[in-house]
Formats: sequence, structure tokens, C-alpha cells
Amino acid sequence: SYELTQPPSVSVSPGQTARITCSGDALPKKYAYWYQQKSGQAPVLVIYEDSKRPSGIPERFSGSSSGTMATLTISGAQVEDEADYYCYSTDSSGGVFGGGTKLTVL
Amino acid sequence: QVQLVQSGAEVKKSGASVKVSCKASGYTFTSYGISWVRQAPGQGLEWMGWISAYNGNTNYAQRLQGRVTMTTDTSTSTAYMELRSLRSDDTAVYYCARDLGTPEIWGQGTLVTVSS
Repeated sequence: SYELTQPPSVSVSPGQTARITCSGDALPKKYAYWYQQKSGQAPVLVIYEDSKRPSGIPERFSGSSSGTMATLTISGAQVEDEADYYCYSTDSSGGVFGGGTKLTVL
Repeated sequence: QVQLVQSGAEVKKSGASVKVSCKASGYTFTSYGISWVRQAPGQGLEWMGWISAYNGNTNYAQRLQGRVTMTTDTSTSTAYMELRSLRSDDTAVYYCARDLGTPEIWGQGTLVTVSS
């Protein structure tokens, strides 16, 4: 079955740039989406169709995709950005989530 | 505003079934699909499947085929997810989400606990 691979954890200091990667064989042909999930809360969509930002999502969140890798970038990470981040994409069978990356900002 | 409100927590015995509801408001229900996603305690997100609220077409995750059924009631703008033959590893928070290419707006989640 199709898999999306993310690093388990990323750690940055406040104000630094955090980059979270997501690799998958179908990403050259399929969009990547990114979700933020804070403890005890439902996920929130922060990037859709590789690089678009929903209304209400801060400009410091951006996305890109090249070849088999998609990247979520948080420029000037804030303490409140500490959360789990999941990439999502689709294949011929349906949806698939990456395993998630725990972002620590301290 | 767009809102998805799910039914309350459930405790079920192994082998039983559970049916979770998801009532949508603030948008035209039949213009979007509904995805269902679950999250076991301390684990990541798992896509379960999708249903079109327009025509009822479904697409289920292969590993749940035969145990899951997703339906909608357009008269009440409510989606349902039924999972049968419950096992302990079905213990999870179950989310519904409005879907237009991706799950975009999520319900609050419903905790389903399966005990033996």
C-alpha cells in the first residue's frame, strides 16, 4: 500500500525556520496537504494543493513540492506552532496520511 | 459558519457495532463529500474512507472493507459511519471532515472505546 514518510520529530528555537518533509512516490503526480494538530484537538488544514494557504492561516506557513518530496516550512516558528504535523495525499485507492512529525519549538 | 458536530463517546464490547453521526451546518451539504479519519491513542491519523453527499458514492480504505459502511441523510445534513465486528484496536477518536479534494473542516471527534 502507498506510504508517505515523515521524520518523527523536528526541533527549532523560536524565530528559526522549521522544515518538515514528506516523501512519497506519487507526489510528482498528486497534491500534498498539511495538517496541524495540537494536543487534544482536531487537525487543522494549514496548506492545500502543495502550496496554498487557507484563509486564517498565518503567512509564516508555506508549502512546496518537488519530485517525490513535499515540504512544509514555518518561517519564524512561534511557541504556539508546537504541534504534530501530518502530510496527506491520495493514490488510486484513496487517502493516506504520513506518520506525523512532532514539532518542538523551544 | 461551517460546523460539523459529532455524536458522543461510545463504549462497546468486542464484536459489537458502533454508528457515529456527524451533523453538518453552514453550507450546502450535497456540494461536498465527507471523509472519516480515526486516531488511536497516541498514534497518527488513519484515513477510513469517503462518501459523496451528492450521490452516496463511497470509497473505503482497503483494510476496513467489509466492516465499515458510510451513509448520509440529506434531509438532515447528517453523515454516518458504522463499524462492525469491533476489536480492541478499533479504540480511537473518530473524526468526520468536510471534503473537497481533502478533509478540510473537521468535527470535534468521537471517542469509541472497545472493551473485551
